[in-house]
Amino acid sequence: NAGVTQTPKFQVLKTGQSMTLQCAQDMNHNSMYWYRQDPGMGLRLIYYSASEGTTDKGEVPNGYNVSRLNKREFSLRLESAAPSQTSVYFCASSEGGGGRELFFGSGTQLSVL
Amino acid sequence: AQSVTQLDSQVPVFEEAPVELRCNYSSSVSVYLFWYVQYPNQGLQLLLKYLSGSTLVESINGFEAEFNKSQTSFHLRKPSVHISDTAEYFCAVTRGAGGFKTIFGAGTRLFVKA
Repeated sequence: NAGVTQTPKFQVLKTGQSMTLQCAQDMNHNSMYWYRQDPGMGLRLIYYSASEGTTDKGEVPNGYNVSRLNKREFSLRLESAAPSQTSVYFCASSEGGGGRELFFGSGTQLSVL
Repeated sequence: AQSVTQLDSQVPVFEEAPVELRCNYSSSVSVYLFWYVQYPNQGLQLLLKYLSGSTLVESINGFEAEFNKSQTSFHLRKPSVHISDTAEYFCAVTRGAGGFKTIFGAGTRLFVKA
């Protein structure tokens, strides 16, 4: 009964390096999301996928790309990491939009030096 | 666009005392409202939500929140807190009727002291 699984849990990058954060859910949810959490700013939506085959920008999409690989998996890519991308990243999923509950993974702590 | 303001960044309270965590939102359309809780080193979990109907909603662990449309507020209350309630609490809003962008407030850290 894993729910939402994120990998890796921790990552340290140098400025300019690239990496992909992986997310998978086993609840047969239609919608998936990537958020970043910064102190004093709460969670901010980076990108979301309302359904398989679609992706849309959230509040802070610059510097990120996403891929909805299939219904289960939604990845987040940093092409050229910057120190401003140091954050905790959370993947979430839901049955759909509107009043549906978001189910969160345990997060990826990313440091960009 | 929607926005959420949580009026207190930190709330210290003694065990068994009542607590209120304040949340105000702004939106030009109808919204759904949520409270999520985050325990240390974990992701967020839904605490309670308001979609429609009764303006007072309750969680299974004694929290309640009241939707006040005229004051655009959704404050969270508990009459008697426990040490285990120590966590960060986030108020959130989603546009009604199929909205996918859930907007979160900055969070309120509740610290329950013995």
